[in-house]
Amino acid sequence: DSGVTQTPKHLITATGQRVTLRCSPRSGDLSVYWYQQSLDQGLQFLIQYYNGEERAKGNILERFSAQQFPDLHSELNLSSLELGDSALYFCASSVAAGVSTQYFGPGTRLTVL
Amino acid sequence: ELKVEQNPLFLSMQEGKNYTIYCNYSTTSDRLYWYRQDPGKSLESLFVLLSNGAVKQEGRLMASLDTKARLSTLHITAAVHDLSATYFCAVDNGDYKLSFGAGTTVTVRA
Repeated sequence: DSGVTQTPKHLITATGQRVTLRCSPRSGDLSVYWYQQSLDQGLQFLIQYYNGEERAKGNILERFSAQQFPDLHSELNLSSLELGDSALYFCASSVAAGVSTQYFGPGTRLTVL
Repeated sequence: ELKVEQNPLFLSMQEGKNYTIYCNYSTTSDRLYWYRQDPGKSLESLFVLLSNGAVKQEGRLMASLDTKARLSTLHITAAVHDLSATYFCAVDNGDYKLSFGAGTTVTVRA
């Protein structure tokens, strides 16, 4: 158990809908990262927050957004969902924003029908 | 754009034998990570390599980093069944993003 929690574990929804994925980092970690894992794209970095501020952006679609709250938990919002958004979404956390190990949560499996 | 290539992508190991997974990356970096993922599970951190020549060992696994060659290796000694998993390398090129390789799926057979 990495200490990173994610909810929900599974999410099944329809095309066009909007969902919110939630992540609580390990105690003391200020950085939160979001990743998407799919069979065709592999593991893709989406976005990083450090102490409430966006620090880096990766291959995140405009339909997706995220934020980190004052209590350091983070939410990833996915809207206008398409079939291709079906994937495993991981949150990771680390102490610092730069050189430090990222600890991954259990993931949220999103299925878009 | 940083590219990370792992090979092989699939590795069938015989118990008791030694094997190596290679991770090549395209731009300068001295920060490389190895992760393990069991089917349907999350990623577990194995090693963090932070300088040229770094070598880390844990049990039957040993990882090394050659930043000049832009190459990291994960060496498996005397493979056992519980090492069956997918192994990922990930490279940090200093902009707070990790770029992952495609993963090497390892199956250990008796």
